[in-house]
Amino acid sequence: DAGITQSPRHKVTETGTPVTLRCHQTENHRYMYWYRQDPGHGLRLIHYSYGVKDTDKGEVSDGYSVSRSKTEDFLLTLESATSSQTSVYFCAISEVDSGSSYNEQFFGPGTRLTVL
Amino acid sequence: ELKVEQNPLFLSMQEGKNYTIYCNYSTTSDRLYWYRQDPGKSLESLFVLLSNGAVKQEGRLMASLDTKARLSTLHITAAVHDLSATYFCAVDSSGTYKYIFGTGTRLKVLA
Repeated sequence: DAGITQSPRHKVTETGTPVTLRCHQTENHRYMYWYRQDPGHGLRLIHYSYGVKDTDKGEVSDGYSVSRSKTEDFLLTLESATSSQTSVYFCAISEVDSGSSYNEQFFGPGTRLTVL
Repeated sequence: ELKVEQNPLFLSMQEGKNYTIYCNYSTTSDRLYWYRQDPGKSLESLFVLLSNGAVKQEGRLMASLDTKARLSTLHITAAVHDLSATYFCAVDSSGTYKYIFGTGTRLKVLA
């Protein structure tokens, strides 16, 4: 299994509080992603990173920020959590092969976040 | 905008039967990916389809890709209960670092 961990695995918080989720990888992959998964919506991309300090927005980035200060860690921050951000959050990593084609993503175990 | 559509969204089938899940996507892409997700678990990579006409098989699952039709299929042969899961297809958006996922097909195999 790819070495990807997420912390915390479960969190309950209150509306308006800041929350930071951490993704840590030991694979030295360049690309890292944060998704949220909600019933009926599949996986939706929040933010992604293509290198240290290089990040960009996905399709549902409002209310979220990210940081990547080193290759192995990708942090997702909810500056002021809302109930609509209750979800399961997955981190994923990927890398390009020698032909510059993308390989499949490997996913972390997920973080279940509940915002009351 | 790249869109990925799967059908059916839900599939209930008897053990021993065959069925196919379809994945359509809206723009050109070099690769297509299939993942499996068990309830409460993470996603596990099943297949990476690299080019037009690619076919891959693992046990009772076989995936194929037709890039001209922008269609991939996941065929289930003689289903067993252990195949019950949600199956996602995904496409990488050419020229970006992003992957776009279908909404998933929830498969339930009845004993």
